[in-house]
Amino acid sequence: GAGVSQSPSNKVTEKGKDVELRCDPISGHTALYWYRQRLGQGLEFLIYFQGNSAPDKSGLPSDRFSAERTGESVSTLTIQRTQQEDSAVYLCASRVSWGAQYFGPGTRLTVT
Amino acid sequence: GNSVTQMEGPVTLSEEAFLTINCTYTATGYPSLFWYVQYPGEGLQLLLKATKADDKGSNKGFEATYRKETTSFHLEKGSVQVSDSAVYFCAGGYNNNDMRFGAGTRLTVKP
Repeated sequence: GAGVSQSPSNKVTEKGKDVELRCDPISGHTALYWYRQRLGQGLEFLIYFQGNSAPDKSGLPSDRFSAERTGESVSTLTIQRTQQEDSAVYLCASRVSWGAQYFGPGTRLTVT
Repeated sequence: GNSVTQMEGPVTLSEEAFLTINCTYTATGYPSLFWYVQYPGEGLQLLLKATKADDKGSNKGFEATYRKETTSFHLEKGSVQVSDSAVYFCAGGYNNNDMRFGAGTRLTVKP
């Protein structure tokens, strides 16, 4: 079946602009995660959704970052007033209970 | 708390050398354990997994055994190839919510 998809694949934006990143999880996967990966670095957890439960937002680096998910479908990660340090690859992953995470290809964000 | 720690890189090996990348976990329970691989310019892919003690995950010649007594899940391959050059991430799934990743180990295999 289809894997996790993310759009856009690349985004270049000017400092101060808002951006919205989209993730389509694998159908039937109840859990959805967002991560940030800076160049040459590991994964930085941002936010986690599980079904209709309140999301775990403990990894969001500032109040400029927010994310939404409706039920077990698409999620959007929004970064307001982007800064140069927001430049990174933003990865989305989905998962069934106790299973492995399956990652999307990521969105490469460049803030100029 | 829950955490995963893996061997720092970078690791550089010659083709056909033996590979070990160490990974240890901390937990009050028994997490599911995973190795992910990220090839240059690509996203993370699941390499192998083990869900309980003494399980061995294997794929593409890589193996890792879930060792409860040493809280470890070391990745091994008997003979690496140039195409194995990538970044390898160890991860633990601690409950339905919590996934923890190691920092990643960059492997370069030279011909």
